[in-house]
Amino acid sequence: EVHLVESGGGLVQPGGSLRLSCAASGFTFSSLGMAWVRQVPGQGLEWISSISIGPSPTYYADSVKGRFTISRDNVKNSLYLQMNRLRDEDTAVYYCARFAVVGWVIDYWGQGTLVTVSS
Amino acid sequence: QSALTQPRSVSGSPGQSVTISCTGASSNVGGYDYVSWYQKHPGKAPKLMIRDVSERPSGVPDRFSGSKSGNTASLTISGLQAEDEADYYCCSYAGTYTLVFGGGTKLTVL
Repeated sequence: EVHLVESGGGLVQPGGSLRLSCAASGFTFSSLGMAWVRQVPGQGLEWISSISIGPSPTYYADSVKGRFTISRDNVKNSLYLQMNRLRDEDTAVYYCARFAVVGWVIDYWGQGTLVTVSS
Repeated sequence: QSALTQPRSVSGSPGQSVTISCTGASSNVGGYDYVSWYQKHPGKAPKLMIRDVSERPSGVPDRFSGSKSGNTASLTISGLQAEDEADYYCCSYAGTYTLVFGGGTKLTVL
């Protein structure tokens, strides 16, 4: 069974940094692309970053480009999101998600981790 | 990377059918047959209901169906049930490993 478990969320001040982790199990992690998607409270889902099966290439939404960095460790079956220069508007639940074996679709999601940016 | 356009809310009575639209552009919805739909209950992870415009993953009731015409995709839920009440999001492929979501539609079962 596929499991994606996020960790690392919490309260951080504007301008600060945070690193999210996602532990994957139940599938061959190194064979599939992965993504981070967030949901600002009361708003919709927003794709923010993806990574292919290797360390690169990586892809980012304009809203986080230059501030966030996605990475993966295929030995530890883990996905990461380094978030720098955080802003109030980055407050959201961050979901780890995996691309399906076939096709460009996310088929499994983690339960999410809440990041709150506030002074 | 503009969000896809969905109605903010739709509603229907048990047993009825509702359709949720999702309008994008030729660079996403209209350009690829990679539109997916997710059901999301508050505090829960999204659940994949439709992929590749009209395919139902295993375990999804056949009451859920998807279609696409031009730059607009649609999700139809027939035989509405109380447990269908949730937020629904469309999503489209928009280039290698890049996705764009709709703003979400709140479905109320009256």
